[in-house]
Amino acid sequence: EPEVTQTPSHQVTQMGQEVILRCVPISNHLYFYWYRQILGQKVEFLVSFYNNEISEKSEIFDDQFSVERPDGSNFTLKIRSTKLEDSAMYFCASSDLGFNEQFFGPGTRLTVL
Amino acid sequence: KQEVTQIPAALSVPEGENLVLNCSFTDSAIYNLQWFRQDPGKGLTSLLLIQSSQREQTSGRLNASLDKSSGRSTLYIAASQPGDSATYLCAVTGSTGANSKLTFGKGITLSVRP
Repeated sequence: EPEVTQTPSHQVTQMGQEVILRCVPISNHLYFYWYRQILGQKVEFLVSFYNNEISEKSEIFDDQFSVERPDGSNFTLKIRSTKLEDSAMYFCASSDLGFNEQFFGPGTRLTVL
Repeated sequence: KQEVTQIPAALSVPEGENLVLNCSFTDSAIYNLQWFRQDPGKGLTSLLLIQSSQREQTSGRLNASLDKSSGRSTLYIAASQPGDSATYLCAVTGSTGANSKLTFGKGITLSVRP
């Protein structure tokens, strides 16, 4: 069964460093999303991406964040200068149509020291 | 702004019990509602999707209902098993434009005792 994959599973970085989180969505899906979950809190929407551009972003998704689909299979989230409060589980999701079921990857746990 | 609430935060039941997990949302203008399961430290597994025009969806021992006008959904789990122990999250999507983002509740952590 097709699934969303994410790498790495765990990333540890120093404050101020850049990180890139990678996702491979389900192959025939067209809509891509990033969410994050700080420990003990709700899953929060960061950004949605369709047709090679951002379709919606949340207040969290400031200038330190960017997304890219560098090729036909990968979808990345970059954080330019990490802060302690960026420590969270980051989930990638995809769907075939914008309002259809979203399928989530296993997540990348980001720890900023 | 859409708010999704799941009460209680945790629930413990004996194996074999039928149970209902509740979800409420403040803005009834949703496109669909999705129920997920999350195991500790893991990703989100989609369980059921209910479109706003539907009243319920079933998958195996799971049945989800939706009352859009009152802003409520329930997830019914029949004959619970210890393997059902996990956190159950509900999430809704908005109904307009590009607003396909999911807004999540905090989840209900279910423990099924053998």
